[in-house]
Amino acid sequence: EADIYQTPRYLVIGTGKKITLECSQTMGHDKMYWYQQDPGMELHLIHYSYGVNSTEKGDLSSESTVSRIRTEHFPLTLESARPSHTSQYLCASGRDLVNEKLFFGSGTQLSVL
Amino acid sequence: AQTVTQSQPEMSVQEAETVTLSCTYDTSESDYYLFWYKQPPSRQMILVIRQEAYKQQNATENRFSVNFQKAAKSFSLKISDSQLGDAAMYFCAYRSNFGNEKLTFGTGTRLTIIP
Repeated sequence: EADIYQTPRYLVIGTGKKITLECSQTMGHDKMYWYQQDPGMELHLIHYSYGVNSTEKGDLSSESTVSRIRTEHFPLTLESARPSHTSQYLCASGRDLVNEKLFFGSGTQLSVL
Repeated sequence: AQTVTQSQPEMSVQEAETVTLSCTYDTSESDYYLFWYKQPPSRQMILVIRQEAYKQQNATENRFSVNFQKAAKSFSLKISDSQLGDAAMYFCAYRSNFGNEKLTFGTGTRLTIIP
């Protein structure tokens, strides 16, 4: 059974705080992604990684940063949260190009006051 | 750049009936993948069905099937024998076979199942 975990599930935080959204997968997938989704809207890719020490920015400009020190772990960090960062953040992972099926986590709903 | 359009923000269907969700896309590429994802209230995205552009045969997964019209750049999802658990947001997505392999999503269709 495929497993990808995101924590926390919900986060309410004040402006200016540093936050890290965690994402871990137990499937050994090389490829991992972060998407941002506002209510009722499409998903926008903000970061992706093809493996350890590989990170790239996605289509949507984001003030967040990511790291990929271990295959299973792909955390997203906001150094100074702002109300404009309020959104749903979805992490996903996948294996290979030909047979790839993306597996998504349950998401983190971030609210910045 | 590729775009994905879902023209139906909301759809509803009677339980046990059949419903079709529309999706069109725009691309200049010939090799790509198309997906339908389901996002229930739990917010986790779940892959429903996947279609390779080079395959003419429409993909099917149990009660879910697609009508893939490559020339028309259309990729609709048919849900047969609708069940209450099918209620969710449905997203159509495109992925190129070149470049960074990122998924481009449509804006989604909210499907309501009427008991």
